[in-house]
Amino acid sequence: GENVEQHPSTLSVQEGDSAVIKCTYSDSASNYFPWYKQELGKRPQLIIDIRSNVGEKKDQRIAVTLNKTAKHFSLHITETQPEDSAVYFCAARWGGTYKYIFGTGTRLKVLA
Amino acid sequence: GAGVSQSPRYKVTKRGQDVALRCDPISGHVSLYWYRQALGQGPEFLTYFNYEAQQDKSGLPNDRFSAERPEGSISTLTIQRTEQRDSAMYRCASSLARDTEAFFGQGTRLTVV
Repeated sequence: GENVEQHPSTLSVQEGDSAVIKCTYSDSASNYFPWYKQELGKRPQLIIDIRSNVGEKKDQRIAVTLNKTAKHFSLHITETQPEDSAVYFCAARWGGTYKYIFGTGTRLKVLA
Repeated sequence: GAGVSQSPRYKVTKRGQDVALRCDPISGHVSLYWYRQALGQGPEFLTYFNYEAQQDKSGLPNDRFSAERPEGSISTLTIQRTEQRDSAMYRCASSLARDTEAFFGQGTRLTVV
């Protein structure tokens, strides 16, 4: 079925440490994978995305990696800061369609 | 406008009433999505428009839910005969083209009492 699994559901790290969130998708035809950050009471905001023809993409402290063979993609945040605390959602655009299937979210807490 | 705009922000309705939720996408964005987000969960796909054409409505839970985008811009999601289980945050998103990033609106919080 249409499913994106996301782990962990919660993650606590010390300020300055790295955080990694992992997602797995089931449709091999999926070709676009965005990551959204959602702060409490606010709308999801796109923070980074990756397309299936690329294995890695980086934007300052944030990077995303994609393993098409294994159908895994991961978000990496380095040098975490308290303002990184939020819920992060991965998504996959379902192959052959233009709908996004979202993961269940990871609540990241960065401890000062 | 600068972003995706949804109205109303909050809607409380009695069970059995019909509600209409409005989405005004970013100007020029041809793709429009409706999602439903329960508290603590990821957005759940409802339906997708490309211009005025509803190209995917596979996520609409039942026939009480419908959506339209008659002129390829503003969209309305209508829920007929609302039930308590319909209570959720309803989010709209738009993208410039079918294969570009989607931007979300602030949502409409629907409460059915």
